[in-house]
Amino acid sequence: NAGVTQTPKFRVLKTGQSMTLLCAQDMNHEYMYWYRQDPGMGLRLIHYSVGEGTTAKGEVPDGYNVSRLKKQNFLLGLESAAPSQTSVYFCASSGTGGDGYTFGSGTRLTVV
Amino acid sequence: DQQVKQNSPSLSVQEGRISILNCDYTNSMFDYFLWYKKYPAEGPTFLISISSIKDKNEDGRFTVFLNKSAKHLSLHIVPSQPGDSAVYFCAATSNTGKLIFGQGTTLQVKP
Repeated sequence: NAGVTQTPKFRVLKTGQSMTLLCAQDMNHEYMYWYRQDPGMGLRLIHYSVGEGTTAKGEVPDGYNVSRLKKQNFLLGLESAAPSQTSVYFCASSGTGGDGYTFGSGTRLTVV
Repeated sequence: DQQVKQNSPSLSVQEGRISILNCDYTNSMFDYFLWYKKYPAEGPTFLISISSIKDKNEDGRFTVFLNKSAKHLSLHIVPSQPGDSAVYFCAATSNTGKLIFGQGTTLQVKP
């Protein structure tokens, strides 16, 4: 019973490089979310999805793209990484929202 | 515009005493409020929640109070234990299914 799995757990990128963060959930949840956590800023919503094939912008979507081709997977892409995207990224899923959120353990990304 | 605010970055209390963590919000459309707890190198985990139709919800050592007129909620932990040391996030949602989080408060419970 894995819940929400994020890969990779750590990554260092050079400015301008691209990468994709993968989130997978095995709970058959409809909703999936990508957050970033920065010191003093809390958790800020980047993008979210309310079902397979749908995506929507959150609070801080610039510089990121997402895709939800399969219900169990939610991908977060950085096309051209910038140092401002150095952060810890959390994926979450939910059946109905609210206290149904299950978070992954995070991806620590450093852009140099 | 920060819709959910936790103005105290950190709090330190002695084991056995009460911990009070505070949270303010600005969006009157929020109708459900939650507290999440986060240990280092782990994702946040759900702790306790309250609906806007209530003013108090209790679960063991944890109680959440909601003051709608003041747009303020608080989390009380009694008695505090060293294992409660973590970052606590307040969150709020309306009918969108999206959670908006505060900045977090780091609680340290000293033995």
